[in-house]
Amino acid sequence: TQLLEQSPQFLSIQEGENLTVYCNSSSVFSSLQWYRQEPGEGPVLLVTVVTGGEVKKLKRLTFQFGDARKDSSLHITAAQPGDTGLYLCAGVSRAGGTSYGKLTFGQGTILTVHP
Amino acid sequence: KAGVTQTPRYLIKTRGQQVTLSCSPISGHRSVSWYQQTPGQGLQFLFEYFSETQRNKGNFPGRFSGRQFSNSRSEMNVSTLELGDSALYLCASRKAGQSREQYFGPGTRLTVT
Repeated sequence: TQLLEQSPQFLSIQEGENLTVYCNSSSVFSSLQWYRQEPGEGPVLLVTVVTGGEVKKLKRLTFQFGDARKDSSLHITAAQPGDTGLYLCAGVSRAGGTSYGKLTFGQGTILTVHP
Repeated sequence: KAGVTQTPRYLIKTRGQQVTLSCSPISGHRSVSWYQQTPGQGLQFLFEYFSETQRNKGNFPGRFSGRQFSNSRSEMNVSTLELGDSALYLCASRKAGQSREQYFGPGTRLTVT
């Protein structure tokens, strides 16, 4: 069974600070995704990283996929109260359309940004 | 384009009962996956359906089952409910093929008393 470990579990910071969330595994994943979930809603996809070493930027969010495709990180610059939520990493073990519907999720990081 | 819809949004059942949850995917999406979310275990994969066939299955007991209809709508059923089945049940739809993007519904909050 492939596992994804996310850290930290909780993060409470002030507006304007930077932060990084980590997602690690001992297994190789064909791709990793990051989601954000708000109370009462389902997770919303932020990004998909596929290639080892890949870096993607989404405004103030930077996502990186490790060279060995076993880990990923999410970095937020100058956090804002609107960034508050549960951040989840999720991996797909094998490449191919028949595997993309089965995601393995990390435990999540609850981020609170105080004004 | 309408998103993924799930009904009902909230449900309270008693131990031993059974429950059926419904999921309508985004129009044109043919794959539906189901997940269970609890504070202790996080999000765990239950199963995926594509073209009315179960394509992938997670590590859940046989009390958890599902099906998909020809219009891609999906239902999941939990029989002989246990207190530990209390959770948020999420479904996600995907275009299928080589598309990796899953779109989640708001979930059904099931409470077992």
